Amino acid sequence: GAGVSQTPSNKVTEKGKYVELRCDPISGHTALYWYRQSLGQGPEFLIYFQGTGAADDSGLPNDRFFAVRPEGSVSTLKIQRTERGDSAVYLCASSSGTSETQYFGPGTRLLVL
Amino acid sequence: GESVGLHLPTLSVQEGDNSIINCAYSNSASDYFIWYKQESGKGPQFIIDIRSNMDKRQGQRVTVLLNKTVKHLSLQIAATQPGDSAVYFCAENNAGTALIFGKGTTLSVSS
Repeated sequence: GAGVSQTPSNKVTEKGKYVELRCDPISGHTALYWYRQSLGQGPEFLIYFQGTGAADDSGLPNDRFFAVRPEGSVSTLKIQRTERGDSAVYLCASSSGTSETQYFGPGTRLLVL
Repeated sequence: GESVGLHLPTLSVQEGDNSIINCAYSNSASDYFIWYKQESGKGPQFIIDIRSNMDKRQGQRVTVLLNKTVKHLSLQIAATQPGDSAVYFCAENNAGTALIFGKGTTLSVSS
């Protein structure tokens, strides 16, 4: 595709439920990043993949959050036992390599009731 | 044109004016800096970037200035248009992984 795509665009769930958020990076981009953006704030880093492996997961807030990228392309961010504080926009970005420009998708707006 | 020396959360300008948005970054070891534009309900859109071996870079209607001595970054937009209205974020990068975003500035352009 022409850019980074994310699905779903919006997700409403109940406290305690499990959610999966999907990211399709720009074709050929080896690096993939997940960020979280709360209302009125800048994006905050969650996790970075180089290829299939998570090279840096230092931004994941706790062990309820997990992400995979099994074939080095599409990535899924998984959140277990969602809490109301998880409500935010989850952004995915990709780049052609480290230290290269990161291009962002439109985000998934997650609302936990 | 309108300019601010320190970071302000909002900037209002008239169409046709030049806008200057400022940003202070945190890590003196950061070597790559990017400006993003974010419109309501959308993801951040790349505008322009600059590496630490440069102090100025120009794009179409935009210029980024980098002052490493005081860890300051600015974005200049020439002949600001209503379509430039958005939130602007600076971001810094060290060792090529996570971007660290600054506080955004909301630019409002009136015609």
